[in-house]
Amino acid sequence: DAKTTQPPSMDCAEGRAANLPCNHSTISGNEYVYWYRQIHSQGPQYIIHGLKNNETNEMASLIITEDRKSSTLILPHATLRDTAVYYCIVRVASGTYKYIFGTGTRLKVLA
Amino acid sequence: DAGVTQSPTHLIKTRGQQVTLRCSPISGHKSVSWYQQVLGQGPQFIFQYYEKEERGRGNFPDRFSARQFPNYSSELNVNALLLGDSALYLCASRPEQALGTEQFFGPGTRLTVL
Repeated sequence: DAKTTQPPSMDCAEGRAANLPCNHSTISGNEYVYWYRQIHSQGPQYIIHGLKNNETNEMASLIITEDRKSSTLILPHATLRDTAVYYCIVRVASGTYKYIFGTGTRLKVLA
Repeated sequence: DAGVTQSPTHLIKTRGQQVTLRCSPISGHKSVSWYQQVLGQGPQFIFQYYEKEERGRGNFPDRFSARQFPNYSSELNVNALLLGDSALYLCASRPEQALGTEQFFGPGTRLTVL
């Protein structure tokens, strides 16, 4: 499975968009990009995932570059409750279903 | 609908003891995975089970074992506990082995080994 690289921490003002980058330069053609977040040692919460196209749901948007070597998670209007560790994960779409987590990005939303 | 549930929520054991952690997947989910999360790190994959068969194993010693029952619930067993086994143990479920589906995590069991 491809490895991912994320900045260790970011700050964002409340109400502004939070843009969290992820580098996955060794991604293969059949590997999906998943984003999860973890709030204070709770179980990771699913946010969004995609393969090639940009995706949007009620929580966030996922922008994947054309060469698929990087992606950005966008929280359009960050709130204090969005303060968490955000994980970008790349996994193969078949075989053993396992996630390889990195250390993630610790996002702090500031009032 | 209920999410993934795990029991117990917290557990304290001493070195050398054995522990069993339990997980109930979301109704209709057939795949269960286990992860270990040591403080300050991301979760690490331990096992995946699908339809009661082991489908994957991470880089963990044989002291770690698991099984999945006909109702798709699962148990994780750890023998001969070490201090380093202190961690949050997470269970995750997903419907099947379908391509591109996400998995959902439970709240975890916090294990402390003294």
